[in-house]
This record gives sequence, C-alpha cells and structure tokens, in this order.
Amino acid sequence: KNQVEQSPQSLIILEGKNCTLQCNYTVSPFSNLRWYKQDTGRGPVSLTIMTFSENTKSNGRYTATLDADTKQSSLHITASQLSDSASYICVVITGTYKYIFGTGTRLKVLA
Amino acid sequence: SQTIHQWPATLVQPVGSPLSLECTVEGTSNPNLYWYRQAAGRGLQLLFYSVGIGQISSEVPQNLSASRPQDRQFILSSKKLLLSDSGFYLCAWSESGSTEAFFGQGTRLTVV
Repeated sequence: KNQVEQSPQSLIILEGKNCTLQCNYTVSPFSNLRWYKQDTGRGPVSLTIMTFSENTKSNGRYTATLDADTKQSSLHITASQLSDSASYICVVITGTYKYIFGTGTRLKVLA
Repeated sequence: SQTIHQWPATLVQPVGSPLSLECTVEGTSNPNLYWYRQAAGRGLQLLFYSVGIGQISSEVPQNLSASRPQDRQFILSSKKLLLSDSGFYLCAWSESGSTEAFFGQGTRLTVV
C-alpha cells in the first residue's frame, strides 16, 4: 500500500532555531517527492521537488534531502522565522496523477 | 501568469442541502484539474481529477460529483450533503504531463 508518514506530528520551536522534519514513504513506482507549506486555512504551496537522483536541494532557508534507498526525506529549516509557522506536507508522486500525501507536520515558531 | 480561483472560502450548509463549489484557472489551456478533501488531522485525499472537458475520473465512491463544463472550470457538487462531507476542499491544477500541482485557497465546508 502506498503510504507517506511524517514525523513529528507537531513541533514548537523558538524563533531563530533550526528544525528538521521527517518523511518516510512506501510508494512504488517513485516519480518525485515534494514538500509543500500550508498556512492555516490556505492551499498548499510547493517548496521543493526531489527526483530519484537528487540527494539535497535548497530553497532559501529550506533544505530538503532524499535517500531513495531507505525511502526517507527530510526538510531542514534554518534560522526559523515566525512566518514559518505552518503545516509542512510531504508528497510522493507516482505517475502523472497520483499524489500520495503525508498528514503533515504542524510547526509553531514562537517569538 | 497562471492563477487559480476557488470560492467560496467558507460555507455552512444544513444536512440534506445541495452543494456547488466552483474553481477556475486562468493563464493556461487544457490543464489537469483536481478536487481534494482534507479532513482534520488527515492527509489530502484525491476526490476527482479531469484531463479535459467532460472527462471526470473519481478516486473514491462518495456523495459528491464533479463536472468540467469548460476547459478551465471545475465544479464540485452534491445533491444532498451529509455530516461526513464537512472538511476543507481544495481545487488544484497542473500542466498536462507535469507532476507539479498548484492549489487554490480552499473552501472550508461545515455541514450542520
């Protein structure tokens, strides 16, 4: 069964601190993996895309990693800001139409 | 540039009433269109997708239906809402052949 699991479910950190969110997946065949940021009550917005051959990709203060052998991905946020408070969703894409969504990690950044 | 519009943003409907949520995309032609539902504490669940006018595929059996009367218009409907239809509904689009989806702002539906 295609499945994407994220941990932790929720996380609270102080502004300026770093954090790492985890994503484990059992999806086959694998096309690519995306991390989305979803503000409360809004639609998700794509942060990064990882293909099978990519290990690391950065987008500003966001760095995503992918280990295709262990089927794990992580999203590292550096020097967190209050605006980083949101849900972060790991999505594994198999084929053109199949998006397998994780349940997300809810991040709260405190001043 | 491409934009996606989804409305209304919030909706409270009584059980048994009909539903119509509309989604339109601007700035692209022949997009793939999607309806997702996000229940509290759950991941996004694909409800319907469409690769062209009048072409609708359903992922899960349910009380809802979808229609695509125009190239860039996608409508989610129900004849009689159930309490279990409450949730956050998201419309999305992607270019044909692309795996990147762009989401609308969502509709928070509460069935009472």
